[in-house]
Amino acid sequence: SAVISQKPSRDICQRGTSLTIQCQVDSQVTMMFWYRQQPGQSLTLIATANQGSEATYESGFVIDKFPISRPNLTFSTLTVSNMSPEDSSIYLCSVAGQGVGTQYFGPGTRLLVL
Amino acid sequence: AQRVTQPEKLLSVFKGAPVELKCNYSYSGSPELFWYVQYSRQRLQLLLRHISRESIKGFTADLNKGETSFHLKKPFAQEEDSAMYYCALRGTGGYSTLTFGKGTMLLVSP
Repeated sequence: SAVISQKPSRDICQRGTSLTIQCQVDSQVTMMFWYRQQPGQSLTLIATANQGSEATYESGFVIDKFPISRPNLTFSTLTVSNMSPEDSSIYLCSVAGQGVGTQYFGPGTRLLVL
Repeated sequence: AQRVTQPEKLLSVFKGAPVELKCNYSYSGSPELFWYVQYSRQRLQLLLRHISRESIKGFTADLNKGETSFHLKKPFAQEEDSAMYYCALRGTGGYSTLTFGKGTMLLVSP
């Protein structure tokens, strides 16, 4: 299994600002994923981030709003840009584990935009 | 497009009672289904996969392609089973991307 940490664990931000969320893994992994979980909703995949290539965004998510960096095999960042109250959510980082469909999740970053 | 539906937001049972958490899916190909669980103040983790045909913590789930269901069952619920349960379907393409249902909160009372 992989141990994943995220920073910050929570934050309160003003609308129009940006927040960068960090995800650190204790082992080298090829595939990392970023999810959003809005209040009362399920986890929605934002993008898949592979080291050395551009992130692949899911329908409804764009790079200008959610730029992602993946500088090495143990680290990634997700930036939530020009935030609005609708961006208030839990943001989760995960990595692919052994076994198809297996993912290990970080503890999440709880974001509140005022 | 694939979709996962968990019709119950909350399921409340007494300790020792049977539990069935419902999951239905919509998918055009051959599905791969999973159950993930999140206990209070813990992170989301894999509970079981249909391809493994395993029983984890007394839970089992059978893929029923005719009914497009993957219900999670346990014959005798325990208080420590109280958690949020998410059904997930593996997407198409070359990645291990997952589509999650909205989750069902299971509360097991003494």
